Amino acid sequence: GDSVTQMEGPVTLSEEAFLTINCTYTATGYPSLFWYVQYPGEGLQLLLKATKADDKGSNKGFEATYRKETTSFHLEKGSVQVSDSAVYFCALSKGSARQLTFGSGTQLTVLP
Amino acid sequence: NAGVTQTPKFQVLKTGQSMTLQCAQDMNHEYMSWYRQDPGMGLRLIHYSVGAGITDQGEVPNGYNVSRSTTEDFPLRLLSAAPSQTSVYFCASSDNRGSGNTIYFGEGSWLTVV
Repeated sequence: GDSVTQMEGPVTLSEEAFLTINCTYTATGYPSLFWYVQYPGEGLQLLLKATKADDKGSNKGFEATYRKETTSFHLEKGSVQVSDSAVYFCALSKGSARQLTFGSGTQLTVLP
Repeated sequence: NAGVTQTPKFQVLKTGQSMTLQCAQDMNHEYMSWYRQDPGMGLRLIHYSVGAGITDQGEVPNGYNVSRSTTEDFPLRLLSAAPSQTSVYFCASSDNRGSGNTIYFGEGSWLTVV
């Protein structure tokens, strides 16, 4: 079946550091890929998405590129802020299906 | 804009009790679903619905029932609560515009079964 693997956390960075959270997937066909963010005590919010190979999703300074050859969708940000502290989930869906398959999540803490 | 609304936000149940988690969306989305979130496991799909009157099982359906009598509402029922159902539950909804749909989540319901 389909699966998503994320780098294990927790990840702790200093403010203004560069962030990479690795995400790889296993799926047949052509999935859409997503990054969701969960701030403490809140629900999940869509951060960015990409629906086909080589697409780049971007939002709030975060970026991720859909790499079909490496089945990856790594999340990057050039300069993190304390307010970016949250749990980040990589996920996929296929075709018109609206079910998401999630990775296990990566806890990010940014220190001032 | 309300989006996806879940109630209650926090609940403590005794083993064997039953309860219903409520979910409502005001975006006229056909698709709704319930996930549970457990530490180190991401979110797992419990049940989903592609429209009023239509429901189906997800990855972890045992111990839960759902119904979809209206487009807006999708309640999740715990029939006889067990400690293994201690989790955070998220309701989600989406439209049916094809691939790459954005799925919107509620704020979550924290359930503890003692």
